[in-house]
Amino acid sequence: EVQLVQSGAEVKKPEESLKISCKGFGYGFFGYYIGWVRQLPGKGLEYMGMIYPDTSHTVYSPSFQGQVTLSADKSINTAYLQLSGLKASDTAMYYCARFGGAAFKNWYFDLWGRGTLVTVSS
Amino acid sequence: QSALTQPASVSASPGQSITISCIGFTGDIDTYNSVSWYQHHPGEAPKLIIYDVSGRPSGISGRFSGSRSGNTASLTISGLQAEDEADYYCASYTDTYGLGVFGGGTKLTVL
Repeated sequence: EVQLVQSGAEVKKPEESLKISCKGFGYGFFGYYIGWVRQLPGKGLEYMGMIYPDTSHTVYSPSFQGQVTLSADKSINTAYLQLSGLKASDTAMYYCARFGGAAFKNWYFDLWGRGTLVTVSS
Repeated sequence: QSALTQPASVSASPGQSITISCIGFTGDIDTYNSVSWYQHHPGEAPKLIIYDVSGRPSGISGRFSGSRSGNTASLTISGLQAEDEADYYCASYTDTYGLGVFGGGTKLTVL
């Protein structure tokens, strides 16, 4: 089955770091960009950035540039989102998604993970 | 980046049709054939239901259709069913930042 499977929920303290994983199954993982999307509690979706697993080329949203780090290990079909210096305001659901467009200007995500809930609390 | 503008909520009865609007700025919806729509049931993965303004992925019901006029995109759901109750998000590429942006989301209630 074609799917993205994300790592489980995390509870962290302020200032800690976190790395969320997203593993692809059933398709050529290395050949599609993987994007990350944040959803704050009760809010909408926010695009964070994406990575091309084959080359690790990354594109960050200006809102998240310098705040997060994207990486990938194509040998195990897995992409990662790293958050450092966590704050309570980082409490959110984080989704990974496969970029489906033929080019960036055909911008859409055609396959999504179920999300990883991150809670930051002292 | 600024989000596209959607109504916060819409509601209708089973069998009826609804349209959700998505208003953009110059340089996004009006310029690129890049509008997509997502259905999101809380607790589940979001699902792509429309891409490239009006394209429908395999497996998506024909009751879902997309269109665009100027800087406004629209999602129409006909023959509403109880399972259509969900949050719906539009998205578009924008040349302001050379990436995509989401709308704020619309909660659809099937009465």
